[in-house]
Amino acid sequence: ETGVTQTPRHLVMGMTNKKSLKCEQHLGHNAMYWYKQSAKKPLELMFVYNFKEQTENNSVPSRFSPECPNSSHLFLHLHTLQPEDSALYLCASSHTSGGTDTQYFGPGTRLTVL
Amino acid sequence: SQKIEQNSEALNIQEGKTATLTCNYTNYSPAYLQWYRQDPGRGPVFLLLIRENEKEKRKERLKVTFDTTLKQSLFHITASQPADSATYLCALINTNAGKSTFGDGTTLTVKP
Repeated sequence: ETGVTQTPRHLVMGMTNKKSLKCEQHLGHNAMYWYKQSAKKPLELMFVYNFKEQTENNSVPSRFSPECPNSSHLFLHLHTLQPEDSALYLCASSHTSGGTDTQYFGPGTRLTVL
Repeated sequence: SQKIEQNSEALNIQEGKTATLTCNYTNYSPAYLQWYRQDPGRGPVFLLLIRENEKEKRKERLKVTFDTTLKQSLFHITASQPADSATYLCALINTNAGKSTFGDGTTLTVKP
């Protein structure tokens, strides 16, 4: 295991539901990331947090709302999603967000929006 | 913006042969380039990092090259095994922007 855990591993939700994805890292890292991975497409960076501060929002729709209460935990709050938001959502952490540090990924949450 | 192309979506080779995966990029040359392995249902796992001033990096049966003139990185797995079957991703790191840009991966299948 990489030291990064994600829950739930699978999630099915309707377009009117509100749900949250959780990520926790046990590596003592200061930076955490949310990525979206759709079939046949590259990993898309969504958000970056460094020392609990958001440093990157890659033009993500407001129906995705991140929260980072401390350096070890990261949430992604979901509401009024669309079917095209169905994807694997991956959390990662690294020592810092300078981009040069190796990122450690969690196993992902497979999200299906009906 | 940076564009990354990884060779053919799928690569099939026979056990024992060398697998060669390609990562081509446009625009600026990144300061670093990383290769990751991703198995089905799991997140990517870091394998190797190579810097722009390094021509080659090795780790056990893995070898990565970085040619900033060709704007290309090659990833080799020698003496391939069925357990090497996975999707391999390259990621370019621009230290100025502090961002990683990933390719869409090449799925390698090693047949016994």
